[in-house]
Amino acid sequence: DTGVSQDPRHKITKRGQNVTFRCDPISEHNRLYWYRQTLGQGPEFLTYFQNEAQLEKSRLLSDRFSAERPKGSFSTLEIQRTEQGDSAMYLCASRKVNEREQYFGPGTRLTVT
Amino acid sequence: GQQLNQSPQSMFIQEGEDVSMNCTSSSIFNTWLWYKQDPGEGPVLLIALYKAGELTSNGRLTAQFGITRKDSFLNISASIPSDVGIYFCAGFHSGGGADGLTFGKGTHLIIQP
Repeated sequence: DTGVSQDPRHKITKRGQNVTFRCDPISEHNRLYWYRQTLGQGPEFLTYFQNEAQLEKSRLLSDRFSAERPKGSFSTLEIQRTEQGDSAMYLCASRKVNEREQYFGPGTRLTVT
Repeated sequence: GQQLNQSPQSMFIQEGEDVSMNCTSSSIFNTWLWYKQDPGEGPVLLIALYKAGELTSNGRLTAQFGITRKDSFLNISASIPSDVGIYFCAGFHSGGGADGLTFGKGTHLIIQP
């Protein structure tokens, strides 16, 4: 059973550019989560999907952020017009709906210059 | 966003010593999860707790779900160099509407050989 995978692992972009990250959850995990982690902090919840439906968005998810899970498998997180404050580790996690444990991927480290 | 109070913030110990850390919340949870994170990686699930008073072990790790449902504790016995890392607690209330995990700021464990 492979774990959660994320791509890319690192992304450096200039302020104002758009970036997109991908997450592949553990197979048969119907819930998929996105978190953001800044230096010295724990991960903070952004949004989650059950299958292809986006069921909850945090107040942290500004209008420049959009997430999709079109076929209920992989998910993408896009940030438009990046700002330096967007620099963080973006983590993806997944779980089965009838279980409570969430399993995390390795993360995508975003640096906005 | 809301975060849990996790203490201590960091620990400097000798190899072979036992370690204790805890996490408190103003909210009630019905699930506590403990994770370990290495630099540049995603959190790895160590232990999951599902009901008040529960005591669960995973090798040298033992965790407890506080009876008030607002706290949890993690102990590591006979620490070894590979225990170095950041330990996070995370709380979750299934069926409460919000589905994301709430994390503490982490306990940074440093072991001196």
